[in-house]
Amino acid sequence: EAGVAQSPRYKIIEKRQSVAFWCNPISGHATLYWYQQILGQGPKLLIQFQNNGVVDDSQLPKDRFSAERLKGVDSTLKIQPAKLEDSAVYLCASSLDRSAGRTEAFFGQGTRLTVV
Amino acid sequence: AQRVTQPEKLLSVFKGAPVELKCNYSYSGSPELFWYVQYSRQRLQLLLRHISRESIKGFTADLNKGETSFHLKKPFAQEEDSAMYYCALRGGGADGLTFGKGTHLIIQP
Repeated sequence: EAGVAQSPRYKIIEKRQSVAFWCNPISGHATLYWYQQILGQGPKLLIQFQNNGVVDDSQLPKDRFSAERLKGVDSTLKIQPAKLEDSAVYLCASSLDRSAGRTEAFFGQGTRLTVV
Repeated sequence: AQRVTQPEKLLSVFKGAPVELKCNYSYSGSPELFWYVQYSRQRLQLLLRHISRESIKGFTADLNKGETSFHLKKPFAQEEDSAMYYCALRGGGADGLTFGKGTHLIIQP
């Protein structure tokens, strides 16, 4: 079974620039998550999708961050404009349909963003 | 608000010695607790969850609601156990996980 795919693996941008990350979840997984992991911290949930609808975006800084999952499969996370404190690893995870019960979340390799 | 605390950033033990990674949580309801592990250059992966009550790679963890703890234990550490370990909580109707800051476990030969 192929895992969660993310790209790019690394990205370096200047502050105030824009950046986008892409995630392809495991086939058949209806639930998709984006997490932010700052160095020395555990992952923090940014947004959760169920198919193409948002379930939880309470911790997403909506003034600069946006995410979409238009067809209920792939997802993109965008930051515009980036700040120095956005430097982190951005993790995508997916799991089976939440209505089927609580299931394991599978994580991608992450995208390491450095804002200079 | 829910919170997960892992008091040790780094834990170093010798091969064959017992290991205990501490995890305490704060949550008003009935949470689900998990341990995730990240080996060097690998992705984050589930190690075990409290509802399964199983032993994975020799590790066990018991949910203690009185002490609000979910410590991870292994009686005899192996070098391949060296990794970052994260305790995580899922509560209420949400599926997203709340993670602790992680403990870097180093097993010395």
